[in-house]
Amino acid sequence: GENVEQHPSTLSVQEGDSAVIKCTYSDSASNYFPWYKQELGKRPQLIIDIRSNVGEKKDQRIAVTLNKTAKHFSLHITETQPEDSAVYFCAASRADSWGKLQFGAGTQVVVTP
Amino acid sequence: GAGVSQSPRYKVAKRGQDVALRCDPISGHVSLFWYQQALGQGPEFLTYFQNEAQLDKSGLPSDRFFAERPEGSVSTLKIQRTQQEDSAVYLCASSTTSRRDTLGDIQYFGAGTRLSVL
Repeated sequence: GENVEQHPSTLSVQEGDSAVIKCTYSDSASNYFPWYKQELGKRPQLIIDIRSNVGEKKDQRIAVTLNKTAKHFSLHITETQPEDSAVYFCAASRADSWGKLQFGAGTQVVVTP
Repeated sequence: GAGVSQSPRYKVAKRGQDVALRCDPISGHVSLFWYQQALGQGPEFLTYFQNEAQLDKSGLPSDRFFAERPEGSVSTLKIQRTQQEDSAVYLCASSTTSRRDTLGDIQYFGAGTRLSVL
């Protein structure tokens, strides 16, 4: 089955700097890659997603890139702010799976003022 | 409109007790997923419903876990004879996905039920 690996497990950045989180997946049939942000005790919230027919997607300070050949995708956060501090999860789902998601282990991001 | 609602938010059970966790998905959402999230880990898929039909239960860890969605809206995850390793946050998500060959639709998550088995 699908295996999603996520790095780093923790990331500390100064406010205003950029943060990058990388994920790799094993199943070449995976075609949907969402990123979720989860604050302590709260629900996971989708922040951006990308489908396999697109190589890059951007939404204000957040961008995601996908390299299907290498089977990896990355989340980029620019101009980080203290409210960006949270755990970020990448995920992948494959066609013919009804959309069930395989998640990475998460990255704890701490933005220090 | 309301998002995905789960209850209770917290549940403490003695080992061997049965528990029932409830999920109210977003109104009109066809698909409903249950995930288990251990401390410090990403969510792990448990089971999937399309309306009232349970189409995938490959992630249920044992036959002590049972899920239902009898009228295609509210879903209940039941764990019988709970054990310490069942302690986790149980997340429910819903989406509009209705095709097997989906290109991927947004899953909206509830806040989860934190189960502690003593």
